[in-house]
Amino acid sequence: QKEVEQNSGPLSVPEGAIASLNCTYSDRGSQSFFWYRQYSGKSPELIMSIYSNGDKEDGRFTAQLNKASQYVSLLIRDSQPSDSATYLCAVPFSGYSTLTFGKGTMLLVSP
Amino acid sequence: NAGVTQTPKFQVLKTGQSMTLQCAQDMNHNSMYWYRQDPGMGLRLIYYSASEGTTDKGEVPNGYNVSRLNKREFSLRLESAAPSQTSVYFCASPSNTEAFFGQGTRLTVV
Repeated sequence: QKEVEQNSGPLSVPEGAIASLNCTYSDRGSQSFFWYRQYSGKSPELIMSIYSNGDKEDGRFTAQLNKASQYVSLLIRDSQPSDSATYLCAVPFSGYSTLTFGKGTMLLVSP
Repeated sequence: NAGVTQTPKFQVLKTGQSMTLQCAQDMNHNSMYWYRQDPGMGLRLIYYSASEGTTDKGEVPNGYNVSRLNKREFSLRLESAAPSQTSVYFCASPSNTEAFFGQGTRLTVV
């Protein structure tokens, strides 16, 4: 069973705070992990990818991967109202050429 | 550089009508996907094509057919639309590092 689990939210944070988004996946053999951002009425866009255990930073975004715990997270520092969107975790499961998406977490950043 | 182009953007069908959603990519990718997105359900894979000439079922293929016309184009057909097929449909084409999405088709079946 290919499963990617995320809290649906909404996760509400004040402007300037750190938003923490979490994702667990079922396939211990998965090797790559992606975070997509989707604004309401728009298509998903890739914001982070991570392949190795540990942290990967890109501007205000940090992805964290723990393969032993089958857990990947996305931290957004200095959250802005423009970060308000749904964040989708995506995992290509081993042996499959397709991406499996979580249901997404809605993030609301209040001014 | 258009990336992934889907048509139409919006469509209303009556139950039992048929239609084809068109998707084209200009990135020379081998793979193309069709997803549907429903509230609270995330993106669910309908069909995918790993290369020109091949198609495979995804998680929710019932009620749909697909055609990989050539490397650029991958169409999704609803032969007899049902209200349960009301959804937003996304075509996507992956590279080795990310999947690029079309702008989506909002389909309503009444």
